[in-house]
Amino acid sequence: SQQGEEDPQALSIQEGENATMNCSYKTSINNLQWYRQNSGRGLVHLILIRSNEREKHSGRLRVTLDTSKKSSSLLITASRAADTASYFCATAPSGGYQKVTFGTGTKLQVIP
Amino acid sequence: DSGVTQTPKHLITATGQRVTLRCSPRSGDLSVYWYQQSLDQGLQFLIQYYNGEERAKGNILERFSAQQFPDLHSELNLSSLELGDSALYFCASSVADQRVYFGPGTRLTVL
Repeated sequence: SQQGEEDPQALSIQEGENATMNCSYKTSINNLQWYRQNSGRGLVHLILIRSNEREKHSGRLRVTLDTSKKSSSLLITASRAADTASYFCATAPSGGYQKVTFGTGTKLQVIP
Repeated sequence: DSGVTQTPKHLITATGQRVTLRCSPRSGDLSVYWYQQSLDQGLQFLIQYYNGEERAKGNILERFSAQQFPDLHSELNLSSLELGDSALYFCASSVADQRVYFGPGTRLTVL
């Protein structure tokens, strides 16, 4: 089964609104990463948050991490049509090697 | 441009055939990952190599195999292809900080 599970599976919002996506995972992690994938394209790395961090910002992106609840959220503020994509969270487990596991993704549609 | 290259970009072949997908990681990255993404599906982890050695195995079929060469490039071999093997195959690489960089993918179509 997937380590990371994103919620919701799909989200449709108007341009200018904020979009929030959540990710839950099962085991202890070293870090959690968020990626964007435009249809049929490769994945683009958005942000990495380490297990000892609680919040991180990058431009219009804000990521939070709650290790006690094993969950993370990605907030995109003032969304644009160009933000339309699938968003995946990926977790790197603590201890041992670097097997990064991806969730099934949230499909975000931003309507102009 | 992530620095990870994959060839070919597209591959169309018939059932029963064998293909090889190639990946060159970013310069200095020792870890190489292979993922499969079927239509509208999430990413399925197939296998990871670290400095030439297999490090982790995911949902990789026995008909599939991979290796990482001394120059760190990697190949994914898919044999006895079936229609259901049609998918995007991504290679990715990383260094110790575990930030994973993805290649553009190879789109495999099995007819």
